[in-house]
Amino acid sequence: DIQMTQSPASLSASLGETVSIECLASEGISNDLAWYQQKSGKSPQLLIYAASRLQDGVPSRFSGSGSGTRYSLKISGMQPEDEADYFCQQSYKYPPTFGGGTKLELK
Amino acid sequence: EVQLVETGGGLVQPGRSLKLSCVASGFTFNNYWMSWTRQAPGKGLEWVASITNSGGSTYYPDSVKGRFTISRDNAQNTLYLQMNSLRSEDTATYYCTRESSVDYFDYWGQGVMVTVSS
Repeated sequence: DIQMTQSPASLSASLGETVSIECLASEGISNDLAWYQQKSGKSPQLLIYAASRLQDGVPSRFSGSGSGTRYSLKISGMQPEDEADYFCQQSYKYPPTFGGGTKLELK
Repeated sequence: EVQLVETGGGLVQPGRSLKLSCVASGFTFNNYWMSWTRQAPGKGLEWVASITNSGGSTYYPDSVKGRFTISRDNAQNTLYLQMNSLRSEDTATYYCTRESSVDYFDYWGQGVMVTVSS
């Protein structure tokens, strides 16, 4: 199985600050990577797929990038509603596997 | 609007069985693979099972293979997860998820809690 290592496990950001979360795959995944946001007590929601494509309705301050084994999610200007857990997931090879998650808090 | 509504969760003793259901609406159900994904309390996400749009093929991780069975009724727009020989480590919120054509999960249900405890 492909292992997904996400970092950091937690971080705190001020309003308007730019935030970056990293995901490292144990082998190349050819941009087959998704990012999910999970707010407290809610279901995960798809933010980004194919490493950099925004799901409909996701604010443009969210962006994804990367290639090979290294991928990142960037939030350009932290907002209060961005406080959540974030997870990456590879869809390159079955079984689909998730990163361990990053808890993002507003400072 | 896509909706996925799970039912069937609850408290069950170790070794017993439970069956989850998920009713889908707002899209053409038989065009999509469907999956179950779970999240143990305070933990990350774990894919549990997938089924092709026709129901002809199913996939499981080793952690549930031989104990869980995913199935679907395309006439009723309903997805199922039969869980047998339940263990304490199966305690989690179970989400019904729609799979995109490239195996990410583009819609999630509200989740249903399964607690395995004596």
